[in-house]
Amino acid sequence: GNSVTQMEGPVTLSEEAFLTINCTYTATGYPSLFWYVQYPGEGLQLLLKATKADDKGSNKGFEATYRKETTSFHLEKGSVQVSDSAVYFCALGLIQGAQKLVFGQGTRLTINP
Amino acid sequence: DAGITQSPRHKVTETGTPVTLRCHQTENHRYMYWYRQDPGHGLRLIHYSYGVKDTDKGEVSDGYSVSRSKTEDFLLTLESATSSQTSVYFCAIRTGTDLYEQYFGPGTRLTVT
Repeated sequence: GNSVTQMEGPVTLSEEAFLTINCTYTATGYPSLFWYVQYPGEGLQLLLKATKADDKGSNKGFEATYRKETTSFHLEKGSVQVSDSAVYFCALGLIQGAQKLVFGQGTRLTINP
Repeated sequence: DAGITQSPRHKVTETGTPVTLRCHQTENHRYMYWYRQDPGHGLRLIHYSYGVKDTDKGEVSDGYSVSRSKTEDFLLTLESATSSQTSVYFCAIRTGTDLYEQYFGPGTRLTVT
C-alpha cells in the first residue's frame, strides 16, 4: 500500500543547530512529495514540495530532496530558530481518487533559545 | 489566504448525539477534503468532494457522512457520535494548479463524552 514513515519525535534542539527530520515512503507509481508544517493552534501549511526524482524543494531555509533510489524525502535546515518550533508532516500525493494526500504521523520539533 | 473557515472551532457533545461540522470557502475551489488528526496517526482522510453533490470516501469514512449542496460549503456529519470520534477535524481545499497542493482550515476540536 501507500504509506509515509517519519522519524519518531519529539525532537528538541538548541537555536542555530542543524536539523534533519527523516521521511521515507512506500508508493505505487511516482508520487509527489510534500512537507507540511503545523504551528501551535493552527492548521497545516505547505512548507515545500517536489514532484519528481532528484527535485529539491526549498522554503524558509528548509530543504528536502526527492530520492527515488532510497524512497526518501528528508527535511533539513542548517540553522534552526525558536520560531521553527512546530509539528512537521511528510506527505505523498497520489493520482488515484481525486489527488489524495497520505500523511506521515508528524514530528514535533521544539527549539530552545 | 485561501479564505477557508471552519465552524464550530470547539465542541463537546455526548455519545449518541448527531454532530455537524461546517467548512466554508470563499474562492470556489472544486475539491474539498475532511481529515481527522489523532496522535500517532498524522492526518487521515475521511471524505472528499470533487464538486457539488459529488463526494467519495476516504480511508476512515465509517461513522461519517458528508454533503455538498453548494460549492462553498462542505459539511461533515457524525450521525451518532462515539468517543472514538474525539479528534481534531481539518477541512482542506485544493488550490492553485498543483494537483496536490492543499490549503487547510484552522481545525475543529471535537470531544465526545
